[in-house]
Amino acid sequence: KAGVTQTPRYLIKTRGQQVTLSCSPISGHRSVSWYQQTPGQGLQFLFEYFSETQRNKGNFPGRFSGRQFSNSRSEMNVSTLELGDSALYLCASSLGRHPLNTEAFFGQGTRLTVV
Amino acid sequence: QKEVEQNSGPLSVPEGAIASLNCTYSDRGSQSFFWYRQYSGKSPELIMFIYSNGDKEDGRFTAQLNKASQYVSLLIRDSQPSDSATYLCAVIQEYGNKLVFGAGTILRVKS
Repeated sequence: KAGVTQTPRYLIKTRGQQVTLSCSPISGHRSVSWYQQTPGQGLQFLFEYFSETQRNKGNFPGRFSGRQFSNSRSEMNVSTLELGDSALYLCASSLGRHPLNTEAFFGQGTRLTVV
Repeated sequence: QKEVEQNSGPLSVPEGAIASLNCTYSDRGSQSFFWYRQYSGKSPELIMFIYSNGDKEDGRFTAQLNKASQYVSLLIRDSQPSDSATYLCAVIQEYGNKLVFGAGTILRVKS
């Protein structure tokens, strides 16, 4: 059974550009969550999608957006990149039907560097 | 007050000893609790989850939950150098569909 797949693994962008990251969840999982991990802030929740609907959103500016497709694959987009957006972006998938059934499995992450 | 708190460590234990990692949380209505292990440069790996008071054992790992004290712990028996990593505690709060993570505890197992 394939795990969570994130692409690309590494990205280098310049300030002001935009970037799109992709996440394919484990087969059968309908919930996809996105997290930003930095040395100073740790793992911070960005947003969560279930059946193409955003169910929850973290405290990030509107430059961070996402969507989920009918096949549960998800993308997140960051516009007008800033140096502080440099981080490891992690995607996690889970069945997501019930709060107790929310074991979340992470992909390998996308390492974004903004220069 | 942080939503999920962990001692950053590093916690150093000799090989073969028991490592005890602790986590407290602020949302009394929290329902599910998770322990992830993260090696340097890698993504978090789920090692245990628990949602009922008491202990849950899986191999060398035991998760302990005390909802009255809002406390969850992870015990690693017979610690091995390969257990050296950052251990992240995560909580599903009463409302919402997100994992709230602690900052993690660095564990070092010395051979």
